[in-house]
Amino acid sequence: AQSVTQLDSHVSVSEGTPVLLRCNYSSSYSPSLFWYVQHPNKGLQLLLKYTSAATLVKGINGFEAEFKKSETSFHLTKPSAHMSDAAEYFCVVMSNSGTYKYIFGTGTRLKVLA
Amino acid sequence: SAVISQKPSRDICQRGTSLTIQCQVDSQVTMMFWYRQQPGQSLTLIATANQGSEATYESGFVIDKFPISRPNLTFSTLTVSNMSPEDSSIYLCSVLRADTNTEAFFGQGTRLTVV
Repeated sequence: AQSVTQLDSHVSVSEGTPVLLRCNYSSSYSPSLFWYVQHPNKGLQLLLKYTSAATLVKGINGFEAEFKKSETSFHLTKPSAHMSDAAEYFCVVMSNSGTYKYIFGTGTRLKVLA
Repeated sequence: SAVISQKPSRDICQRGTSLTIQCQVDSQVTMMFWYRQQPGQSLTLIATANQGSEATYESGFVIDKFPISRPNLTFSTLTVSNMSPEDSSIYLCSVLRADTNTEAFFGQGTRLTVV
């Protein structure tokens, strides 16, 4: 069975410092992986996706993630945090059973300090 | 991207009643899903809405409690039946487009409070 584990439930960074949100996945096959962001009282927005092309994936708002098969990781990074980045972030793996179901991680709440 | 209209955006309901949530997409999509997000929690898949046939439910969710319809490729409804306070959650519609088949789009969600 496929799954994702987000290693930190809460992360706090100062504005202007790097962001690292960690995600490990479990999958028997080459997975499709995603990061979504959810701002308070807003819908989910796709940040980036990995679908077996380039291992370094660039997304919106300066975010990027690197797929590392040897470490079964897909960590989300950003060089410099902005106040507007404060939100809940979800790492997601898509089921490879042909059902296209998404399996969500438990989420990481990012707090950005002024 | 697909534009999803989900209604209502929020509601406060009495226990024992039912609420039907609508999801309308601006284009034909391959897959439609319904998720639940309990307070402070992640998203859990309730079911896959199948066009013209019964939905496919995940473990822990049953048709009598969460009946789902999908009469065509752009519309689906989720009903939360015989509600209790434990049903207070955000319910989200999600769609996958036929031309991408991997990237899912989400509605804004319906925030349900049962009193």
